[in-house]
Amino acid sequence: DTGVSQDPRHKITKRGQNVTFRCDPISEHNRLYWYRQTLGQGPEFLTYFQNEAQLEKSRLLSDRFSAERPKGSFSTLEIQRTEQGDSAMYLCASSPHRAEAFFGQGTRLTVV
Amino acid sequence: TQLLEQSPQFLSIQEGENLTVYCNSSSVFSSLQWYRQEPGEGPVLLVTVVTGGEVKKLKRLTFQFGDARKDSSLHITAAQPGDTGLYLCAGENNDMRFGAGTRLTVKP
Repeated sequence: DTGVSQDPRHKITKRGQNVTFRCDPISEHNRLYWYRQTLGQGPEFLTYFQNEAQLEKSRLLSDRFSAERPKGSFSTLEIQRTEQGDSAMYLCASSPHRAEAFFGQGTRLTVV
Repeated sequence: TQLLEQSPQFLSIQEGENLTVYCNSSSVFSSLQWYRQEPGEGPVLLVTVVTGGEVKKLKRLTFQFGDARKDSSLHITAAQPGDTGLYLCAGENNDMRFGAGTRLTVKP
């Protein structure tokens, strides 16, 4: 399968713990996006990368969130000191150019 | 506030009916995409429109990009239960921003 892969699919964590999610984009896609989606809402933009450079980060994103894309390949999204409000689906997408993003199946985070 | 406003928020129709959903913004976009999402899955790209006034057809689905590249519509002809899902529009400039979606239910 050469689609976008996200790991894990599901994560349950206790409030205050740190979590890290991984996204493997489609090979040779130079753009990578992270979104957060809660029930009944559309995906909310978090950040995106052009190769290894993080070009934009949402102002809604607190300092507890950080994303990296070393070497312009896979990406990680870390949430420190998780809160119940962080519970959501975290979606990763990659794109060969500026349009047409291809999404992974997401990581469902539950903070208890 | 949402950069892209989608309407209606919910739509429930009978199999065989036609429907149109809308995506509106005050911003101009380089391109606009439509996606369909099923529960527990990531959105799946349906179409990208780039040119103002552009119309694209995908089987029973017709997509139109507004002349000013600020809005778009999706028309489905003879809807089927398999069309049920969350329809999302996304506007692209440097990044890509989504609307809240239209949740469509097609009853057999």
